[in-house]
Amino acid sequence: SQQGEEDPQALSIQEGENATMNCSYKTSINNLQWYRQNSGRGLVHLILIRSNEREKHSGRLRVTLDTSKKSSSLLITASRAADTASYFCATDAETAGNMLTFGGGTRLMVKP
Amino acid sequence: NAGVTQTPKFQVLKTGQSMTLQCAQDMNHNSMYWYRQDPGMGLRLIYYSASEGTTDKGEVPNGYNVSRLNKREFSLRLESAAPSQTSVYFCASSEGGARNYGYTFGSGTRLTVV
Repeated sequence: SQQGEEDPQALSIQEGENATMNCSYKTSINNLQWYRQNSGRGLVHLILIRSNEREKHSGRLRVTLDTSKKSSSLLITASRAADTASYFCATDAETAGNMLTFGGGTRLMVKP
Repeated sequence: NAGVTQTPKFQVLKTGQSMTLQCAQDMNHNSMYWYRQDPGMGLRLIYYSASEGTTDKGEVPNGYNVSRLNKREFSLRLESAAPSQTSVYFCASSEGGARNYGYTFGSGTRLTVV
């Protein structure tokens, strides 16, 4: 079963615009992680945010976490064509035995 | 390059055939994982090994077996392949569990069972 659900499932923007992807989850978590997957490749870890953190930055990435709403968002600022990929959230739920559970992903296309 | 190496990259099997997917990591990570990725389903955990010498079932273990050969290697075996096992398989590793660490993924094995 999927703990995290991303929204939207697909997103198309122009280069230079910001991209926002959302993730909702069902049960209490220890942390939430975001991954990127380029077509035909493995997933790459982007950022980990703990349940006691509200916001985290890494370069052009900004992640927020609202544990009261059981949701997270990933913002990519000033997007580039190279950001075209699928983005997945993954949760380390308190009941999941220190394992990650992945959502279905958001497919982002950045048009040059 | 340091990371997780999976072999083979592509495989076509006939129903009932067996095969082993190989995975090796050179980052001295303790934990290793096997996931399958199906369209619209995200990644689902098949088996994992929290440390050398231990293996445990994940969400979808039926039809699979695993071996943690040593700290570097974690193999996934399909004893009698079925069309429902057509998928992309990813191996991943982490220094410890998900509580504190992100995962490093291999590039995947695309398996088709006909």
